Amino acid sequence: RKEVEQDPGPFNVPEGATVAFNCTYSNSASQSFFWYRQDCRKEPKLLMSVYSSGNEDGRFTAQLNRASQYISLLIRDSKLSDSATYLCVVNSYGGSYIPTFGRGTSLIVHP
Amino acid sequence: ETGVTQTPRHLVMGMTNKKSLKCEQHLGHNAMYWYKQSAKKPLELMFVYSLEERVENNSVPSRFSPECPNSSHLFLHLHTLQPEDSALYLCASSQGPRYEQYFGPGTRLTVT
Repeated sequence: RKEVEQDPGPFNVPEGATVAFNCTYSNSASQSFFWYRQDCRKEPKLLMSVYSSGNEDGRFTAQLNRASQYISLLIRDSKLSDSATYLCVVNSYGGSYIPTFGRGTSLIVHP
Repeated sequence: ETGVTQTPRHLVMGMTNKKSLKCEQHLGHNAMYWYKQSAKKPLELMFVYSLEERVENNSVPSRFSPECPNSSHLFLHLHTLQPEDSALYLCASSQGPRYEQYFGPGTRLTVT
């Protein structure tokens, strides 16, 4: 089983739609979680950290479900500019904290 | 801007060349990372330095040699690379290993 798994998509949605991505992780001792977005041929940029109680930043909501070992990202009122690849990152401790990236989920928002 | 810079942005080298990639962070962070991103593959963690000590070497071939002279600078020395080493090499930094990372723009490397 891969350590961090994401549905590669693409998720193809119209502007204004609500879309959700999940990311599952295998290490139950994982400590910290993040969502990044990556545009084509660019570096990943931090979108938001994921906290145990869930957190929201504008149109974006992140959730953590430790019991089922997944994190989620919800995007409301999708914009064309949201088109990108969304990467989840899980930090696990094994002597030191090591980040593991998922493969990413591709989102295409169309007019 | 992320405060992490990388040079050069593009590099073409032959298999017998020796070159170095440079990363500098202006964020006051204590941890720095090298990643490799090949086409249609996930980010692969290569090396992690925390407080200038290497804490992770993810089974990377010896033709890649990292160097971290201080907490602001990170190098990746390259020698006798193979064509399959062509990729985007990304540097990142964070406050510490469990915190969010900030990436540089990457060096796009082509090995001929």
